[in-house]
Amino acid sequence: GAGVSQSPSNKVTEKGKDVELRCDPISGHTALYWYRQRLGQGLEFLIYFQGNSAPDKSGLPSDRFSAERTGESVSTLTIQRTQQEDSAVYLCASSQHGTGVGTQYFGPGTRLLVL
Amino acid sequence: AQSVTQLDSHVSVSEGTPVLLRCNYSSSYSPSLFWYVQHPNKGLQLLLKYTSAATLVKGINGFEAEFKKSETSFHLTKPSAHMSDAAEYFCVVSENSGGYQKVTFGTGTKLQVIP
Repeated sequence: GAGVSQSPSNKVTEKGKDVELRCDPISGHTALYWYRQRLGQGLEFLIYFQGNSAPDKSGLPSDRFSAERTGESVSTLTIQRTQQEDSAVYLCASSQHGTGVGTQYFGPGTRLLVL
Repeated sequence: AQSVTQLDSHVSVSEGTPVLLRCNYSSSYSPSLFWYVQHPNKGLQLLLKYTSAATLVKGINGFEAEFKKSETSFHLTKPSAHMSDAAEYFCVVSENSGGYQKVTFGTGTKLQVIP
């Protein structure tokens, strides 16, 4: 594909349910980032992967949030027992390099609404 | 095409003295501009953002930046450096490109704070 893809594009769920968000990075990009963006806010870093390891998980808001990545490919972000405050757009980005240098290409995001 | 140039790869200041980290950008459209900070072995944290509202933007930890369109600059400042400010700082320009949010990071400025 030409860019980073994410699925689903929109997700509406009931409080307490688990959700799984998927990110397909650009082929060959070793770094993958997850961000959360609440309405009117900047990007809130959640986690980044270098390959399939996650050197930094410090941005995950609680232990209800987890993420994994298969090789240098697909990543899934899982939110367990969703709460209303989890409602946000979840953005994934990939980059050829593991540091902030260069361009991060962002996916279109998954808009999550927890009722 | 968009680009961002951080003019200093390293800046060293004494604790309690002002901080100035310089950033110039180019963009075809009205860009959004950000400063992110990355502490060692940590992910990116958003310091502040400019998105066409007030040109003087205040961020976390006492940092602020001024958008100057005539100078295509977005320099980051802080009146008094603290030891905990030692980190790498990234200036970021963002614009929509072909349906994707394209984000370009500067090469970073490493800030050293001397006791």
